Amino acid sequence: AQKITQTQPGMFVQEKEAVTLDCTYDTSDQSYGLFWYKQPSSGEMIFLIYQGSYDEQNATEGRYSLNFQKARKSANLVISASQLGDSAMYFCAMREMNTGFQKLVFGTGTRLLVSP
Amino acid sequence: NAGVTQTPKFQVLKTGQSMTLQCAQDMNHEYMSWYRQDPGMGLRLIHYSVGAGITDQGEVPNGYNVSRSTTEDFPLRLLSAAPSQTSVYFCASSSRQDGRYEQYFGPGTRLTVT
Repeated sequence: AQKITQTQPGMFVQEKEAVTLDCTYDTSDQSYGLFWYKQPSSGEMIFLIYQGSYDEQNATEGRYSLNFQKARKSANLVISASQLGDSAMYFCAMREMNTGFQKLVFGTGTRLLVSP
Repeated sequence: NAGVTQTPKFQVLKTGQSMTLQCAQDMNHEYMSWYRQDPGMGLRLIHYSVGAGITDQGEVPNGYNVSRSTTEDFPLRLLSAAPSQTSVYFCASSSRQDGRYEQYFGPGTRLTVT
């Protein structure tokens, strides 16, 4: 079974608008962490935001926020006020206590295109 | 700090050749990992290490060897390259000290096997 599911292969958004990238996960662990990474066309993996399973508040980092719904096992990334430089692949990833905190499982990614 | 460095950036191999992808980190992280990225499949874990002298297999270990003799270095060896190993390879390091085990990625190595 897929541990991380990203159902949107591609998303389009206009500059200055907000966009939500979906991520659902599957785990029986109580302790886990969720990450979002951005991969621009240059290829590097850039950390965006982290949410721990015990964190009560949704994580925010500048224009990025994570809509964490634990009961639904979803961890959607919200990008506010999109910019042209946000065009990239976005990956959701999870680490679990029972498989080792140092291992990440990734989703297949969502390609975001921001148009002027 | 250089962070996580990988060499080479690009490599072309013929089927059956062997080579080593180099990875080094200068953050004194205890954990290091190798991932491969194929189109449409996200990143998949090949091997990982929880400290010098300790390594273990990830999701897709076949055809690869690793060792970790120092905290800083974690080379990935392809013993006999196959076209199925054409991929982009990322090395990453992390630490329990930040509480979230955030993985810091190297810039990647693009490998083509013909």
